[in-house]
Amino acid sequence: AQSVTQLDSQVPVFEEAPVELRCNYSSSVSVYLFWYVQYPNQGLQLLLKYLSGSTLVKSINGFEAEFNKSQTSFHLRKPSVHISDTAEYFCAVKGNTGKLIFGQGTTLQVKP
Amino acid sequence: NAGVTQTPKFQVLKTGQSMTLQCAQDMNHNSMYWYRQDPGMGLRLIYYSASEGTTDKGEVPNGYNVSRLNKREFSLRLESAAPSQTSVYFCASSPTYNEQFFGPGTRLTVL
Repeated sequence: AQSVTQLDSQVPVFEEAPVELRCNYSSSVSVYLFWYVQYPNQGLQLLLKYLSGSTLVKSINGFEAEFNKSQTSFHLRKPSVHISDTAEYFCAVKGNTGKLIFGQGTTLQVKP
Repeated sequence: NAGVTQTPKFQVLKTGQSMTLQCAQDMNHNSMYWYRQDPGMGLRLIYYSASEGTTDKGEVPNGYNVSRLNKREFSLRLESAAPSQTSVYFCASSPTYNEQFFGPGTRLTVL
């Protein structure tokens, strides 16, 4: 069965510092990979996705993630975070069942 | 274009009461989903509907029923609410094999 592991439940970081949120998945088939962001008291919004092609994908607000097939990882990075990036981030994988499997979530806390 | 809408936003029930959570999407998506979100557990799929007229169980279907009323609407019913069903419920929709679009959620408390 497919599964997703987000290795950190909380990541505290100071404003303008770099950050990496880690995500590993298990799957024996080709997958689609996603990062979603959830701001307080809101629904989930798609941040970025990997479907095929270039293994490095980027969002419009400076986040990027790299699909690493050999390490079955899809870590999310940002070189300089802002207070407004404070949110919960979910990694998800979609395989041949057509269903999304979510990780447990990582809370990013950006401090001034 | 409202995307995915859910009603109500908040609800408090007593144990044993029933209720229906409503979800609608205006993006002409084939697939719709119901999830529950609990602290430290991410989102877990309750039921989904791959297309109009079909529904299937997800990871945690016990205690819930669903109806895909038409292509736009997908409702979730709790027949006899239990405290373990206290959660935040999200509806989502997607075109086939693309990302899912989420509603704003319903925060349910069962006393």
